[in-house]
Formats: sequence, structure tokens, C-alpha cells
Amino acid sequence: GAVVSQHPSRVICKSGTSVKIECRSLDFQATTMFWYRQFPKQSLMLMATSNEGSKATYEQGVEKDKFLINHASLTLSTLTVTSAHPEDSSFYICSARDRATNEKLFFGSGTQLSVL
Amino acid sequence: GQQLNQSPQSMFIQEGEDVSMNCTSSSIFNTWLWYKQDPGEGPVLLIALYKAGELTSNGRLTAQFGITRKDSFLNISASIPSDVGIYFCAGQLVYGNQFYFGTGTSLTVIP
Repeated sequence: GAVVSQHPSRVICKSGTSVKIECRSLDFQATTMFWYRQFPKQSLMLMATSNEGSKATYEQGVEKDKFLINHASLTLSTLTVTSAHPEDSSFYICSARDRATNEKLFFGSGTQLSVL
Repeated sequence: GQQLNQSPQSMFIQEGEDVSMNCTSSSIFNTWLWYKQDPGEGPVLLIALYKAGELTSNGRLTAQFGITRKDSFLNISASIPSDVGIYFCAGQLVYGNQFYFGTGTSLTVIP
């Protein structure tokens, strides 16, 4: 299957700092990428949909100024958690849609964010 | 976001037994995907379904797109220890771009 690379896999930061997470589709073009958040033993909650070259669409209750999304190219989307606080600690996962393979959705390996 | 109800929430089975789980929603979907997730990892795609009534297999896994377009089923035959993990369904609404996830089924296989 298609490969989605997500970095970093784990990050620990101090409260008030910003953290950037990268999501790359390595062997396909992804016009759409999705960002999810997952708490321990829970399901994946969709945060936002990122379309290449346009503004991201955020789900209800997700602060767009808190979670900045940039999708500048067909293979890269970034999520920046601004002024992180302990309650932002979570597992963040990106996914990318490969239009060439019937709209399948492939996931990165996730980023575990811990805010101290 | 959309609510996809997945059941059962957890299963404890003996190695060699078959497993069935399902995902239901009040909304109509045009795509259903089934994933397996191991701890600390991203979900891995198992099966993709695109048409109502579609039945698709991937080795010992078989999934079906419900004819009402509001549900989907996943079956695992002759389970083995490496089947252990959390299984998620994901659906894409008829009108929309987003994929929403089910609540997950935790599978434990006892050797």
C-alpha cells in the first residue's frame, strides 16, 4: 500500500511552546489529508480536513487558531499545535487520500505529544 | 462529527475461532474502510468497500458493505494470536470528504 510518513513520532515539550508535526505522502499525491486525535483506549476523532492549496476545514469544537494546518504541496501537510498546554497531550495521526487507488485512506504512524 | 457505533466493544476468543464485528450509523455512507491498530501505531488499512452489498476478502478477513449503506461488517476466520489488536471501521459520508471512525473493537485471542 501507499506510504505516509509522519514526524516526529514522539515529542515532549514545555507548556506554552509550539510543536509542528509533518505528514508526507511518499509515493503518491494526496490532494486531501486528514488530521485525527486519539486519546488512550478511544477512537480517532477527526480534527480537520486539509486540501492542497486551500484553507483547512475544521470539525466543530476544534480551535483553528490553536491547531494550525498547512497543506502547501500535494505531498506535505503540517499541523502546528500553538502554545501547547497539558490538555493538548494526545496521539495525533495524519492520513492521506490516494486518488489513484479508489479513494483509500492511508495513515501515518502517529505522533505522541506530551506537554509538561 | 458523525457517530459510528461499533460492536462488540471487546472480544476474548480462543485461537481458531471466527470473529464478527459490525459498524452502524444513522447516516448513509458511500465508502467503508476497515482498519487494525496496534498500540502506539497508526491504523493499517485492511479492506475497502465502495458499493452497497459489496463483499470483499483479504486473506482470512471478509467485509461487507450493508445494503442500507448505513452499516458494514467484518469477519475474521480461524483467528490466530497476531490478530490481537483494535479494529476500527471508518465511513465516508455520501456528501462530504471526511472519514469518521467507529468506536473500535478490541480483540484478544487466547492461544
